[in-house]
Amino acid sequence: NAGVTQTPKFQVLKTGQSMTLQCAQDMNHNSMYWYRQDPGMGLRLIYYSASEGTTDKGEVPNGYNVSRLNKREFSLRLESAAPSQTSVYFCASSEEGGFAQDTQYFGPGTRLTVL
Amino acid sequence: AQKVTQAQTEISVVEKEDVTLDCVYETRDTTYYLFWYKQPPSGELVFLIRRNSFDEQNEISGRYSWNFQKSTSSFNFTITASQVVDSAVYFCALDSSGSARQLTFGSGTQLTVLP
Repeated sequence: NAGVTQTPKFQVLKTGQSMTLQCAQDMNHNSMYWYRQDPGMGLRLIYYSASEGTTDKGEVPNGYNVSRLNKREFSLRLESAAPSQTSVYFCASSEEGGFAQDTQYFGPGTRLTVL
Repeated sequence: AQKVTQAQTEISVVEKEDVTLDCVYETRDTTYYLFWYKQPPSGELVFLIRRNSFDEQNEISGRYSWNFQKSTSSFNFTITASQVVDSAVYFCALDSSGSARQLTFGSGTQLTVLP
């Protein structure tokens, strides 16, 4: 039981390049999330998927797209990377969909640098 | 709107001292959940505790204890007899039952325990 896994762990991009961050969970959770963590700002929600087939914007969705490929996988795509997207990206999952009592479990994070 | 404030940016203590991390939250919802997460130097986010708005009973788990007070909108976390391994960034987070389902994080408190 690996929990939530993310690939890659580190990535350096040039401005304008695109890339996809991958996330998978093996806990049979319904909901999945993408956050970014910037220094001094805690974590901010980019997108979330309450259940397979649905996605919704979070606090900071601009410049990102997501795909809930199946129940296990939730990917985050940067179409044209910008230096402002330099951050640590965390994927998370929780058991139920749309309920506040769920505990979110996090992956190890992806450290992305955009030059 | 939801907001979580962790006024202590950094705390430094000597091993075996007790330390309390403060968390103050704002929400208009009557049903909400509060969380504490730990982020050690390795970078992953580790879930510590979840509390719902209807349960103000304080909890002790080993060296950890939590003090939830609705009257002051606070959810403080105390480590008794701190150890070097407790050194980490600690995040308080809030999740409400509102339509915009998301976990709102505070900016975190960096705890350093010196030997």
